[in-house]
Amino acid sequence: DQQVKQNSPSLSVQEGRISILNCDYTNSMFDYFLWYKKYPAEGPTFLISISSIKDKNEDGRFTVFLNKSAKHLSLHIVPSQPGDSAVYFCAASRNEKLTFGTGTRLTIIP
Amino acid sequence: ETGVTQSPTHLIKTRGQQVTLRCSSQSGHNTVSWYQQALGQGPQFIFQYYREEENGRGNFPPRFSGLQFPNYSSELNVNALELDDSALYLCASSLDWTSGGIGDNEQFFGPGTRLTVL
Repeated sequence: DQQVKQNSPSLSVQEGRISILNCDYTNSMFDYFLWYKKYPAEGPTFLISISSIKDKNEDGRFTVFLNKSAKHLSLHIVPSQPGDSAVYFCAASRNEKLTFGTGTRLTIIP
Repeated sequence: ETGVTQSPTHLIKTRGQQVTLRCSSQSGHNTVSWYQQALGQGPQFIFQYYREEENGRGNFPPRFSGLQFPNYSSELNVNALELDDSALYLCASSLDWTSGGIGDNEQFFGPGTRLTVL
Protein backbone atom coordinates (compact mmCIF):
# COMPACT_ATOMS: atom_id res chain seq x y z
CA ASP A 1 0.00 0.00 0.00
CA GLN A 2 1.66 3.18 -1.24
CA GLN A 3 0.81 5.76 1.41
CA VAL A 4 2.73 8.57 -0.29
CA LYS A 5 2.49 8.96 -4.05
CA GLN A 6 4.29 11.10 -6.59
CA ASN A 7 2.46 10.47 -9.83
CA SER A 8 4.87 12.32 -12.11
CA PRO A 9 8.12 10.39 -12.58
CA SER A 10 9.69 13.31 -14.44
CA LEU A 11 9.24 17.02 -15.10
CA SER A 12 11.09 19.42 -17.42
CA VAL A 13 10.96 23.17 -16.82
CA GLN A 14 12.59 26.12 -18.54
CA GLU A 15 15.17 28.00 -16.49
CA GLY A 16 13.60 30.99 -14.76
CA ARG A 17 10.08 29.54 -14.80
CA ILE A 18 8.20 27.96 -11.91
CA SER A 19 8.60 24.26 -11.11
CA ILE A 20 5.66 22.59 -9.37
CA LEU A 21 6.08 19.11 -7.91
CA ASN A 22 3.07 17.30 -6.53
CA CYS A 23 2.53 14.65 -3.88
CA ASP A 24 -0.54 12.83 -2.53
CA TYR A 25 -0.91 10.85 0.67
CA THR A 26 -3.52 8.59 2.20
CA ASN A 27 -2.74 8.44 5.94
CA SER A 28 -4.33 11.30 7.87
CA MET A 29 -2.12 10.53 10.91
CA PHE A 30 1.00 12.02 9.32
CA ASP A 31 2.12 15.06 11.33
CA TYR A 32 4.88 16.50 9.15
CA PHE A 33 5.56 16.57 5.45
CA LEU A 34 8.98 17.07 3.94
CA TRP A 35 10.71 17.46 0.62
CA TYR A 36 14.13 16.01 -0.06
CA LYS A 37 16.41 16.56 -3.02
CA LYS A 38 18.75 13.83 -4.23
CA TYR A 39 21.72 14.00 -6.57
CA PRO A 40 23.32 10.81 -7.98
CA ALA A 41 25.72 9.07 -5.59
CA GLU A 42 24.57 11.23 -2.67
CA GLY A 43 22.02 10.72 0.08
CA PRO A 44 18.80 12.74 0.11
CA THR A 45 19.20 16.31 1.36
CA PHE A 46 16.46 18.00 3.34
CA LEU A 47 14.87 20.92 1.50
CA ILE A 48 11.80 22.15 3.33
CA SER A 49 9.08 20.85 5.64
CA ILE A 50 5.61 21.75 6.77
CA SER A 51 3.63 20.83 9.84
CA SER A 52 0.21 19.30 9.34
CA ILE A 53 -1.33 22.28 11.16
CA LYS A 54 -0.10 24.75 8.54
CA ASP A 55 -0.99 25.23 4.90
CA LYS A 56 2.08 27.03 3.62
CA ASN A 57 5.78 27.31 4.39
CA GLU A 58 8.26 29.39 2.45
CA ASP A 59 12.06 29.37 2.37
CA GLY A 60 13.67 31.50 -0.28
CA ARG A 61 12.81 30.15 -3.71
CA PHE A 62 11.02 27.13 -2.22
CA THR A 63 7.42 27.09 -1.03
CA VAL A 64 5.46 24.07 0.15
CA PHE A 65 1.67 24.08 0.16
CA LEU A 66 -0.44 21.60 2.10
CA ASN A 67 -4.11 20.88 1.38
CA LYS A 68 -5.22 18.55 4.16
CA SER A 69 -8.75 18.06 2.90
CA ALA A 70 -7.39 16.83 -0.42
CA LYS A 71 -4.41 15.05 1.21
CA HIS A 72 -2.19 16.82 -1.27
CA LEU A 73 1.01 18.82 -1.04
CA SER A 74 3.08 20.60 -3.60
CA LEU A 75 6.53 22.13 -3.84
CA HIS A 76 6.97 25.33 -5.83
CA ILE A 77 10.41 26.43 -6.96
CA VAL A 78 10.64 29.91 -8.43
CA PRO A 79 12.64 30.89 -10.32
CA SER A 80 13.99 27.50 -11.37
CA GLN A 81 17.75 27.25 -11.79
CA PRO A 82 19.95 24.62 -13.53
CA GLY A 83 21.28 23.49 -10.14
CA ASP A 84 17.75 22.47 -9.19
CA SER A 85 17.97 19.51 -11.59
CA ALA A 86 17.74 16.45 -9.31
CA VAL A 87 15.30 13.83 -8.05
CA TYR A 88 12.83 15.23 -5.53
CA PHE A 89 11.23 13.01 -2.90
CA CYS A 90 8.15 13.88 -0.94
CA ALA A 91 8.07 12.30 2.54
CA ALA A 92 5.53 12.14 5.33
CA SER A 93 6.36 11.66 8.98
CA ARG A 94 4.65 10.01 11.91
CA ASN A 95 6.64 9.75 15.17
CA GLU A 96 9.64 10.80 13.08
CA LYS A 97 9.49 7.69 10.89
CA LEU A 98 9.52 8.82 7.27
CA THR A 99 7.45 7.36 4.45
CA PHE A 100 8.74 8.41 1.05
CA GLY A 101 7.16 8.75 -2.36
CA THR A 102 8.81 7.31 -5.45
CA GLY A 103 10.37 10.59 -6.54
CA THR A 104 10.11 13.03 -9.42
CA ARG A 105 13.11 13.74 -11.63
CA LEU A 106 13.22 17.49 -12.29
CA THR A 107 15.23 18.73 -15.27
CA ILE A 108 15.79 22.46 -15.69
CA ILE A 109 16.37 23.39 -19.30
CA PRO A 110 18.81 26.31 -19.77
CA GLU B 1 27.65 19.47 5.69
CA THR B 2 25.92 16.35 7.03
CA GLY B 3 28.85 14.43 8.53
CA VAL B 4 27.12 11.06 8.04
CA THR B 5 29.34 8.44 6.46
CA GLN B 6 28.61 4.88 5.34
CA SER B 7 30.80 1.93 4.44
CA PRO B 8 31.36 0.20 2.19
CA THR B 9 30.26 2.19 -0.84
CA HIS B 10 29.49 -0.88 -2.91
CA LEU B 11 29.16 -4.54 -2.01
CA ILE B 12 28.44 -7.72 -3.95
CA LYS B 13 27.16 -10.81 -2.17
CA THR B 14 25.56 -14.08 -3.19
CA ARG B 15 22.17 -15.38 -2.17
CA GLY B 16 22.14 -16.93 1.30
CA GLN B 17 25.12 -14.96 2.59
CA GLN B 18 25.10 -12.45 5.44
CA VAL B 19 26.12 -8.80 5.21
CA THR B 20 26.94 -5.99 7.65
CA LEU B 21 26.65 -2.37 6.60
CA ARG B 22 28.07 0.43 8.72
CA CYS B 23 27.07 4.00 9.40
CA SER B 24 28.81 6.75 11.33
CA SER B 25 26.33 9.34 12.55
CA GLN B 26 26.91 13.02 12.96
CA SER B 27 28.44 13.75 16.36
CA GLY B 28 25.83 14.26 19.05
CA HIS B 29 23.05 12.53 17.12
CA ASN B 30 21.58 9.73 19.22
CA THR B 31 18.93 8.64 16.74
CA VAL B 32 19.71 6.66 13.58
CA SER B 33 17.29 5.37 10.98
CA TRP B 34 17.95 2.90 8.18
CA TYR B 35 16.21 2.89 4.80
CA GLN B 36 16.21 0.58 1.79
CA GLN B 37 15.89 2.19 -1.63
CA ALA B 38 15.19 -0.22 -4.47
CA LEU B 39 15.74 0.88 -8.05
CA GLY B 40 13.12 3.38 -9.15
CA GLN B 41 11.55 3.57 -5.70
CA GLY B 42 11.68 5.92 -2.77
CA PRO B 43 13.52 4.98 0.42
CA GLN B 44 11.59 2.55 2.64
CA PHE B 45 11.94 2.73 6.41
CA ILE B 46 13.60 -0.38 7.89
CA PHE B 47 14.03 0.58 11.56
CA GLN B 48 15.19 3.30 13.90
CA TYR B 49 17.54 3.15 16.88
CA TYR B 50 17.48 5.62 19.75
CA ARG B 51 20.09 5.43 22.49
CA GLU B 52 21.11 1.92 21.39
CA GLU B 53 17.61 0.46 21.44
CA GLU B 54 15.27 -0.25 18.55
CA ASN B 55 12.61 2.46 18.38
CA GLY B 56 10.23 1.50 15.60
CA ARG B 57 10.37 -0.89 12.67
CA GLY B 58 8.96 -0.95 9.16
CA ASN B 59 7.68 -3.95 7.20
CA PHE B 60 10.94 -5.86 7.08
CA PRO B 61 11.50 -9.46 8.26
CA PRO B 62 13.59 -10.32 11.36
CA ARG B 63 16.59 -11.25 9.21
CA PHE B 64 17.11 -7.48 9.03
CA SER B 65 18.64 -6.46 12.35
CA GLY B 66 20.64 -3.57 13.68
CA LEU B 67 22.92 -2.28 16.37
CA GLN B 68 23.72 1.20 17.61
CA PHE B 69 26.88 1.94 19.58
CA PRO B 70 27.70 4.71 22.11
CA ASN B 71 30.23 6.26 19.72
CA TYR B 72 27.46 7.33 17.26
CA SER B 73 28.11 4.42 14.90
CA SER B 74 25.57 1.80 13.90
CA GLU B 75 25.23 -1.37 11.85
CA LEU B 76 22.61 -2.94 9.64
CA ASN B 77 22.85 -6.73 9.40
CA VAL B 78 21.00 -8.79 6.85
CA ASN B 79 21.02 -12.60 7.07
CA ALA B 80 20.12 -15.14 4.41
CA LEU B 81 20.35 -12.62 1.59
CA GLU B 82 17.77 -12.77 -1.17
CA LEU B 83 17.95 -11.38 -4.69
CA ASP B 84 15.32 -8.74 -3.79
CA ASP B 85 17.63 -7.36 -1.10
CA SER B 86 19.64 -5.71 -3.88
CA ALA B 87 19.21 -2.00 -3.21
CA LEU B 88 20.78 1.19 -1.93
CA TYR B 89 20.84 1.21 1.87
CA LEU B 90 20.73 4.62 3.50
CA CYS B 91 21.24 5.62 7.07
CA ALA B 92 20.09 8.91 8.52
CA SER B 93 20.99 10.45 11.86
CA SER B 94 19.16 13.04 13.87
CA LEU B 95 19.15 14.64 17.30
CA ASP B 96 17.02 13.36 20.15
CA TRP B 97 13.79 12.37 18.38
CA THR B 98 11.78 13.05 21.53
CA SER B 99 12.52 16.77 21.55
CA GLY B 100 10.47 18.82 19.17
CA GLY B 101 8.78 17.78 15.98
CA ILE B 102 10.60 16.53 12.95
CA GLY B 103 10.48 20.02 11.55
CA ASP B 104 13.02 20.93 14.23
CA ASN B 105 14.89 17.65 14.09
CA GLU B 106 16.22 17.16 10.60
CA GLN B 107 17.42 13.74 9.49
CA PHE B 108 20.84 13.87 7.81
CA PHE B 109 21.41 11.12 5.27
CA GLY B 110 24.63 9.39 4.36
CA PRO B 111 25.52 8.62 0.72
CA GLY B 112 24.38 5.00 1.03
CA THR B 113 25.79 1.53 0.40
CA ARG B 114 24.88 -0.12 -2.89
CA LEU B 115 24.29 -3.84 -2.22
CA THR B 116 24.04 -6.28 -5.11
CA VAL B 117 22.92 -9.84 -4.39
CA LEU B 118 23.70 -12.41 -7.12
